[in-house]
Amino acid sequence: ETGVTQSPTHLIKTRGQQVTLRCSSQSGHNTVSWYQQALGQGPQFIFQYYREEENGRGNFPPRFSGLQFPNYSSELNVNALELDDSALYLCASSPVQDGRVSFFGQGTRLTVV
Amino acid sequence: SQQGEEDPQALSIQEGENATMNCSYKTSINNLQWYRQNSGRGLVHLILIRSNEREKHSGRLRVTLDTSKKSSSLLITASRAADTASYFCATGDAGNNRKLIWGLGTSLAVNP
Repeated sequence: ETGVTQSPTHLIKTRGQQVTLRCSSQSGHNTVSWYQQALGQGPQFIFQYYREEENGRGNFPPRFSGLQFPNYSSELNVNALELDDSALYLCASSPVQDGRVSFFGQGTRLTVV
Repeated sequence: SQQGEEDPQALSIQEGENATMNCSYKTSINNLQWYRQNSGRGLVHLILIRSNEREKHSGRLRVTLDTSKKSSSLLITASRAADTASYFCATGDAGNNRKLIWGLGTSLAVNP
């Protein structure tokens, strides 16, 4: 049990739609990172938020955006969904800003049809 | 882009045997971590080794790091069926501490 929860666990959306995925981090963890994991691949860093500000971004287009809230929750928003966006989306929180131990949620499995 | 590769991609052993997985990476690092993932769900942190360390132990796990070869190994001793999972290495980028860079993972099957 990592103390990080994600919702929903599974989601099916249609190409072109928008989706919001949610994450609730551990209390006191002011850093949250989001990752995309395609089937059979390792996680790919999307972005990180620190104290409600975007604090680093991977090679993802602007239609991937996020928010972090003062209550240690965060959102990942994806606009104009494409079939290739089908993946497991993982949220990870950490009490520190640098790339040390991260606590992961169970992920949201997104399927775009 | 992925940082490097785990080797082998898949490993099948019998309960009680040792399992060794290797990870190679490309850039300078501050630390290297190993995580475990069951059935495509969340990742669980196993062990972190800093760039100035060469070996670290945690229970049945032993991790080595060779920064000159940009490689690490994870040894699981006396494996159990419950160790069946995918294992990933992740590096804390020395140039950008804000993200972890991941390998492709090793799928381990421990047969009872």
